[in-house]
Amino acid sequence: DQQVKQNSPSLSVQEGRISILNCDYTNSMFDYFLWYKKYPAEGPTFLISISSIKDKNEDGRFTVFLNKSAKHLSLHIVPSPPGDSAVYFCAASVRQGGKLIFGQGTELSVKP
Amino acid sequence: DTGVSQDPRHKITKRGQNVTFRCDPISEHNRLYWYRQTLGQGPEFLTYFQNEAQLEKSRLLSDRFSAERPKGSFSTLEIQRTEQGDSAMYLCASSLSGTGDEQYFGPGTRLTVT
Repeated sequence: DQQVKQNSPSLSVQEGRISILNCDYTNSMFDYFLWYKKYPAEGPTFLISISSIKDKNEDGRFTVFLNKSAKHLSLHIVPSPPGDSAVYFCAASVRQGGKLIFGQGTELSVKP
Repeated sequence: DTGVSQDPRHKITKRGQNVTFRCDPISEHNRLYWYRQTLGQGPEFLTYFQNEAQLEKSRLLSDRFSAERPKGSFSTLEIQRTEQGDSAMYLCASSLSGTGDEQYFGPGTRLTVT
């Protein structure tokens, strides 16, 4: 039972353009959503989070949008340098400090 | 400010052997989590601690797995009688309660069971 789904295993964008990564979830009890970036042979790195009481959160080049009625969130990265090429995971939790449920990841490739 | 550290980074063992991994969280963090990641999947939750108390365990954590955090600082994850299906990346993360849900991950321990 995959409660958090990232339906695009891969995404390719041109350098300098916007990258949009999508995530869907099924559990309406999720209260907090996060995005992580992962390079090979490293642990995931926290990027940005959003509480279910908000529909948008922005931090530098990263913006996360949450649509609770559609149970959908997206991560926008503007602009995208080649160094952003990595696997991006969305994650969700039902309460603060609890376990994270991760999606399968989307591999972003930013081409020069 | 040092991040989460894990030791060893790589472990190769033969089926049936026991292995133990160590995680040192960010020093002021009171919560510590263990996850497992296999190829092509996101991390899967195994267990977590608040201080020295183990608050939740996944059903993925069979009787062969045990985790401890005896003094509320570092943690160990032991796998007894390893099986080939245990081959994975074992990730540790930590967070500080009251500051949000951001969990900060270590580099992981890559386990290969032959």
